[in-house]
Amino acid sequence: QQQVKQSPQSLIVQKGGISIINCAYENTAFDYFPWYQQFPGKGPALLIAIRPDVSEKKEGRFTISFNKSAKQFSLHIMDSQPGDSATYFCAASISRGGADGLTFGKGTHLIIQP
Amino acid sequence: DTGVSQDPRHKITKRGQNVTFRCDPISEHNRLYWYRQTLGQGPEFLTYFQNEAQLEKSRLLSDRFSAERPKGSFSTLEIQRTEQGDSAMYLCASSLALLYNEQFFGPGTRLTVL
Repeated sequence: QQQVKQSPQSLIVQKGGISIINCAYENTAFDYFPWYQQFPGKGPALLIAIRPDVSEKKEGRFTISFNKSAKQFSLHIMDSQPGDSATYFCAASISRGGADGLTFGKGTHLIIQP
Repeated sequence: DTGVSQDPRHKITKRGQNVTFRCDPISEHNRLYWYRQTLGQGPEFLTYFQNEAQLEKSRLLSDRFSAERPKGSFSTLEIQRTEQGDSAMYLCASSLALLYNEQFFGPGTRLTVL
């Protein structure tokens, strides 16, 4: 059973455009939602994260939007640049008690065309 | 470099051999996680330590997989009697014992079983 569903699988965006990646989760006990960026041959790097008590979080060009009632969250990359080309993963975890690992989506391969 | 480190970065072995991977977490982090990532998929949680205690190991893929963190610092992941299906990237992450555990990943160990 896939607990975090991510879409699209791949995405091509023109330089300067907005990249949008969506995730949906099933487990209402999840209370921490990070996004990771991964380049080929590297480990995932934490990009930005949100807790369910807020609906939006912005850090630089990256914004997470969170809809608790719909059990959905999304990553927006503004003014997308070729250096943003990577695979992006959403994830979720139950943090109270801290004894659970992250559940990841299957990833979105993002290509920013110059 | 004060990030998570993993050794070796690449391992090629023959089917049936045992392999051991090492992870050194960020120095002040007391939580350590192991994940497996196969091609085109998100990381899959395997096991978790808080200090030297292994608090979650039910997600280890089979009894051929085991992990240790004897002194609460570095950790090792061992796979016995390797199979071709074990070929994957093995990732280690660490975090502080905070309410929302931001996990920071190492570069991974790429295992190829021939």
